[in-house]
Amino acid sequence: GENVEQHPSTLSVQEGDSAVIKCTYSDSASNYFPWYKQELGKRPQLIIDIRSNVGEKKDQRIAVTLNKTAKHFSLHITETQPEDSAVYFCAARTGGNKLVFGAGTILRVKS
Amino acid sequence: GAGVSQSPSNKVTEKGKDVELRCDPISGHTALYWYRQSLGQGLEFLIYFQGNSAPDKSGLPSDRFSAERTGGSVSTLTIQRTQQEDSAVYLCASSFKGAGNQPQHFGDGTRLSIL
Repeated sequence: GENVEQHPSTLSVQEGDSAVIKCTYSDSASNYFPWYKQELGKRPQLIIDIRSNVGEKKDQRIAVTLNKTAKHFSLHITETQPEDSAVYFCAARTGGNKLVFGAGTILRVKS
Repeated sequence: GAGVSQSPSNKVTEKGKDVELRCDPISGHTALYWYRQSLGQGLEFLIYFQGNSAPDKSGLPSDRFSAERTGGSVSTLTIQRTQQEDSAVYLCASSFKGAGNQPQHFGDGTRLSIL
């Protein structure tokens, strides 16, 4: 079955700097890759997603890149702000409908 | 409703008791998913519904866990004879369709504590 690895487990950046979180997946049939942001005690919120027929997608300060050959995808947050501090989860979806999640990255933005 | 609704928000029960967790998906969403999130961990898939049927139950950890969905809407996750390792946040998500890459939207979860 699908396996998703996420790195780093924790990331501290200075406000205004960029943050990059990387995930690798094992199943070449995976075709959908969402990213969720979860603040403490709250529900995971979808922040961006990418489908396998696209290499990059941007939404304001957030971008996701996908390398199907290498089976990895990354989340890029530019001009980080304190409110970006949260746990970020990547996920991959294969031919079935379930999402397989990475273990999460705790992002701390220091002001 | 406006979003996925789960109840109760918190549940504390004694080991060995049965518990029922409820999920009310976004209106019109045909696909419904249950996940489990242990403290500081990622999300673990439990079961997926398309309408009232469950094509994928592969994540249910044991036969003490079961789920049903009626009327293509509300779902109930039941844990029988609860154990301390069942303590976690149980999250429900729904999406417009199961097929195709439709985003999953999560509820706030039920925090289950087994004493």
